[in-house]
Amino acid sequence: EAQVTQNPRYLITVTGKKLTVTCSQNMNHEYMSWYRQDPGLGLRQIYYSMNVEVTDKGDVPEGYKVSRKEKRNFPLILESPSPNQTSLYFCASSLRQGRYEQYFGPGTRLTVT
Amino acid sequence: GNSVTQMEGPVTLSEEAFLTINCTYTATGYPSLFWYVQYPGEGLQLLLKATKADDKGSNKGFEATYRKETTSFHLEKGSVQVSDSAVYFCALSIQGGSEKLVFGKGTKLTVNP
Repeated sequence: EAQVTQNPRYLITVTGKKLTVTCSQNMNHEYMSWYRQDPGLGLRQIYYSMNVEVTDKGDVPEGYKVSRKEKRNFPLILESPSPNQTSLYFCASSLRQGRYEQYFGPGTRLTVT
Repeated sequence: GNSVTQMEGPVTLSEEAFLTINCTYTATGYPSLFWYVQYPGEGLQLLLKATKADDKGSNKGFEATYRKETTSFHLEKGSVQVSDSAVYFCALSIQGGSEKLVFGKGTKLTVNP
């Protein structure tokens, strides 16, 4: 089944404790992206990647890191999480950049206390 | 810049009522337009799309027509069901650059039996 998987689905952590949210897709997509969803703000892009080893900042990259060492994986790293990073995070992928459907993972709900 | 404005929610309807969710956009360039739907507890999934002026996207009884003259892409359904309760996002993508999806803030629809 074609899908985007994220882990964990739920995470409660404390300020400053490094964490990684994994994202994997099995569709051989070139383009992958991370979004955060906050009430009243909709979805905002954090980082994106157009292919292996090619990543770039989205609208709200501060406090986040990503890497794209393999085509299928695109982990999101929070080196020192803060409470303002409490949010619902989505990973997405599409065949290529442009007018292609993006497939979304199920989301990771992160709470930073 | 590129932006999407969609009607504020929430929207509450009775089953079999007619649905319209307004979406207008501003874009530098020629956008593709999308409606994504997010069911409770899930990630977003593509509902329909249109890639050029006067195209009509349709799926699951929902329709939207790409109107370049009014820069609009309103979502309609003739008879909603309880299972249509979800958050609906209008989005655009511009060829070139980061290719990211630019989302509206979402409209929550609740359909009562």
